Parts: sequence; C-alpha cells; structure tokens
Amino acid sequence: SQQGEEDPQALSIQEGENATMNCSYKTSINNLQWYRQNSGRGLVHLILIRSNEREKHSGRLRVTLDTSKKSSSLLITASRAADTASYFCATEQGPNAGGTSYGKLTFGQGTILTVHP
Amino acid sequence: DSGVTQTPKHLITATGQRVTLRCSPRSGDLSVYWYQQSLDQGLQFLIQYYNGEERAKGNILERFSAQQFPDLHSELNLSSLELGDSALYFCASKSGTAYGYTFGSGTRLTVV
Repeated sequence: SQQGEEDPQALSIQEGENATMNCSYKTSINNLQWYRQNSGRGLVHLILIRSNEREKHSGRLRVTLDTSKKSSSLLITASRAADTASYFCATEQGPNAGGTSYGKLTFGQGTILTVHP
Repeated sequence: DSGVTQTPKHLITATGQRVTLRCSPRSGDLSVYWYQQSLDQGLQFLIQYYNGEERAKGNILERFSAQQFPDLHSELNLSSLELGDSALYFCASKSGTAYGYTFGSGTRLTVV
C-alpha cells in the first residue's frame, strides 16, 4: 500500500516557471526522498532529507519537510522542458520500525510534471 | 547508466508461464531491492536481499520468489503468470543509510 499521497497528480507549467509538488505520509520516518522518472524508465534519486532536517537544496531543487504535519514539498525553480517527468516522494523508516518496514521505500502515487517550451 | 543492471529490458510471455528477471547491483553494494510498478498499484516493494540473505518482504505474491547469489546478483522468479502481473519490475541497490537508492532501468513484463 502507498505510504502517502502526492498533490497535485498532474502539473502543467511554462518553461521558466517554478513547480511545487507536495507529499504527505502516514507514519514516522527516518528520511524522505524524491525521485524522478522519465516515461517508463528507471527512477533517478534527486534528494534525501532526514527527519531532523527541515530544508535542503540541490541545484534548482528545494525540499522541505514538516514532520509535525507529515508532509514534504519539492520546489523546482526556473523549470525547463527537460524537467518533464513524473516525480515521486518515498519514505524510509528507521531501524526502530522493525519487521518489514525498515530498509525499504514506500512511494507516493507521483506527480506528472509537464513543462511547455 | 546507473550502475544497476537489469536484464532483460522487455519480456512478453503467456499466462501460466514462468520467467526470471535478473539484477546486478552497483559495484560495492551488498543489498538488492525489488519493486513492482503497475498502473493500478503504483510502486510497490516486493523483497530485499542483503549479502545473500533475505532481509525484508513486502507485497510479494507466493507465486514470486527471489534469491541473491554469492556474486551478489539477484534473480526474481515469477511463476504461473497472470495478466495482472504485467508491470515494470525494478531492482535497486543502496550504498548506505546516508544515501538514496540507485535503480536499474527495469524490466517491462507483458503477460498475454
């Protein structure tokens, strides 16, 4: 089952605009990760934010994490047509989660981003 | 090239058949994770191996099994295939707790 939900399900913007995607999750986590997937291809890791971090940057990417609200957002600034892809958030629980929860990713449903040239 | 190698890239087979998907993790990674991506279920964790031992199991059907060999490559065996097993199957490996996962390019399985 999916850990959480992503919002919006689809986002269409013009090149140069910013794109913001949101992710909510249900359980306590060790970290939250964002992945990108071009149509039908493999997932590419973008950024990882730990549960004790609130914000992280990587190039044009900015990720925030609010553990009290169990939510995260991914901001892509100055978007490009090449950013067109599906974006997934995924949570990883810590070792105290025990059982089968530790050491695996639980994905959201993803946001389909289309950037028009 | 992510460093995680999956073969074959595409597989078309009939219902009731058995297939084997293969994955080689990134050099130096001891773990292999298998995921299934389908339109209705999204990305689902199937199973994890670490240095040859099964570590965690997710929503893996009894018709599916996996193993990791001494050279660390892994195979996912899918048997008695049904139409609903058509999906993208990914494997991933990971270097440590501070990093994200590296995914292979996947095997697209079509059951007809």
